[in-house]
Amino acid sequence: QWHLQQSGPGQVNPSETLSLTCSLSSGSMRHYYWTWIRQAPGKGLEWIGYISDIGTTTYNPSLKSRVIISIDTSKNQFSLTLTSVTAADTGIYYCARDRPSIFGEPGVYAMDVWGQGTTVTVSS
Amino acid sequence: DIQMTQSPSTLSAFVGDRVTLTCRASQSIGSWMAWYQQKGQSAPKLLIYEASNLESGVSPRFSGSGSGTEFTLTIGNLQPEDFAVYYCQQYKSNSPITFGQGTRLDMK
Repeated sequence: QWHLQQSGPGQVNPSETLSLTCSLSSGSMRHYYWTWIRQAPGKGLEWIGYISDIGTTTYNPSLKSRVIISIDTSKNQFSLTLTSVTAADTGIYYCARDRPSIFGEPGVYAMDVWGQGTTVTVSS
Repeated sequence: DIQMTQSPSTLSAFVGDRVTLTCRASQSIGSWMAWYQQKGQSAPKLLIYEASNLESGVSPRFSGSGSGTEFTLTIGNLQPEDFAVYYCQQYKSNSPITFGQGTRLDMK
């Protein structure tokens, strides 16, 4: 049974760095893509970026200068780093797995397994 | 960016009703879209992928259709647990992947 467990601080000071980790409890990260999503209070879903099992990344252009997503398949983990945070970065952060396409191809498609979410508040 | 526009923003319905939610893409995305359900502050749940494919374990009361720029999610015989917020997502373009603003389905 696929299960993603998120960890990381719930509060970050303005101008500092937000770091979150998503751990896969069973199964392998290989042949899948892995994504971070966030949701500001009372707002919709915002895609942050993804990483492949071999470390290929693509980020939302609106966040690209501040985001790094990394992966450690030996630990079954992938991580999000967001630098220079402001109050606008407050929200719930989710990690997720991208399911393969209907043709069985790994890539960035629909997200079928989600972490529990981490509420992050940017405040001093 | 490909914009995804959902309508209506809010929909009120009775238990037992059949409802249709709409999502329109700003350019053709083929069938590269998905629908999610979100309850409260819980993580979204995948319902439909590639426009019309029912995710494993999801009630067959949910169905998706459409291609190109117009997509619908239909929920038949509404149950109390279906009242939630629904989002569409496109993944035709991955820079960036985008979501609709959501449709809130309320109980009458």
